[in-house]
Amino acid sequence: DGGITQSPKYLFRKEGQNVTLSCEQNLNHDAMYWYRQDPGQGLRLIYYSQIVNDFQKGDIAEGYSVSREKKESFPLTVTSAQKNPTAFYLCACNSAIGNTEAFFGQGTRLTVV
Amino acid sequence: AQSVSQHNHHVILSEAASLELGCNYSYGGTVNLFWYVQYPGQHLQLLLKYFSGDPLVKGIKGFEAEFIKSKFSFNLRKPSVQWSDTAEYFCAVTPYGNNRLAFGKGNQVVVIP
Repeated sequence: DGGITQSPKYLFRKEGQNVTLSCEQNLNHDAMYWYRQDPGQGLRLIYYSQIVNDFQKGDIAEGYSVSREKKESFPLTVTSAQKNPTAFYLCACNSAIGNTEAFFGQGTRLTVV
Repeated sequence: AQSVSQHNHHVILSEAASLELGCNYSYGGTVNLFWYVQYPGQHLQLLLKYFSGDPLVKGIKGFEAEFIKSKFSFNLRKPSVQWSDTAEYFCAVTPYGNNRLAFGKGNQVVVIP
């Protein structure tokens, strides 16, 4: 089955530690995205990548970093510089050209204690 | 950058009532429009989409949306809701040719049996 997979589903970390969230897709989509979802704030774009080895900051990139070494993978690192990291993180992908919808992973709920 | 506005973040209604959720966007060019739904504990899934053609689009589960270009709107409707429509609904927009999605803040809809 084609799809987009995020792992883990739940993640707990101590304050001050970096943590990396995984996102893998086998839909052969060029573009991948990371969103943060907070109650009442909708989905806010952290980073996106339209092609391998290239990525762009979204609206709330501070305190986050990404890499795109392979088409299928777009990991997100939440660094200790992120002031309020506890949130629900969603990864998505779509075709970089043409009219297409985005497909979403199941999300990772990160709790920093 | 484009922005998307959704009003009335919390909506509570009884079964069989009609539902209309407003969505307005700010972008002067051609756009692709989407409504996504997130049922409790589930991932985002596409409800319906508009790329071109008939401005009245039908989606899954009896939902429809109307694109009114002059009003920069893409309102979602359902004539008679069911308890199972309890979910959060997100409007999203991409400029044509650029598949970076911008989301509204969402509408939390609760249907009372």
